[in-house]
Amino acid sequence: DAGITQSPRYKITETGRQVTLMCHQTWSHSYMFWYRQDLGHGLRLIYYSAAADITDKGEVPDGYVVSRSKTENFPLTLESATRSQTSVYFCASSERASAYNEQFFGPGTRLTVL
Amino acid sequence: AQTVTQSQPEMSVQEAETVTLSCTYDTSESDYYLFWYKQPPSRQMILVIRQEAYKQQNATENRFSVNFQKAAKSFSLKISDSQLGDAAMYFCAYREDSGYALNFGKGTSLLVTP
Repeated sequence: DAGITQSPRYKITETGRQVTLMCHQTWSHSYMFWYRQDLGHGLRLIYYSAAADITDKGEVPDGYVVSRSKTENFPLTLESATRSQTSVYFCASSERASAYNEQFFGPGTRLTVL
Repeated sequence: AQTVTQSQPEMSVQEAETVTLSCTYDTSESDYYLFWYKQPPSRQMILVIRQEAYKQQNATENRFSVNFQKAAKSFSLKISDSQLGDAAMYFCAYREDSGYALNFGKGTSLLVTP
């Protein structure tokens, strides 16, 4: 049971390049989320998805694009990476949006933008 | 967004002792959920405990318990009989009953000394 996986685990890129972070879950959870973690900020929501082809913005969506053509995948794209997007990115999923349903987190991707 | 405040950036406890991590939050909602997540050096986010706001009884999970004071908007985590494996970053998080995303505090780094 693989659960929720993210790839790559580490990525170094340059300013202006496009980067895609992958997220895959094997539970067929309806909801998926992208958070970023920065020192002094905890985790902040970037985008979330309620189902395939349904996505919505979170607290810090600028500079990011998401898609969800299949229930199990939720890629996050930085169209033109900036240094301020250096962060650790977490993908999460839950069966439903109900607060009682636990969000399961992936192992995170550490992204460095030079 | 609701504000979650963790006023202790770092805490230290000796093995077998008890430590309490503080969390306060700001909300005008009456129904919501509160969580404590643990993040060890592996970066994996692990749910430790959760509390439904409509329940007066404090949640407990083995050595972990909470002191939930709804009127004071306080949600502290008590770790009893601390173990070396408890050393980690601990995040307090809030979620509205009808919401979808978690709002995190900035975290408390817990050091456990032998």
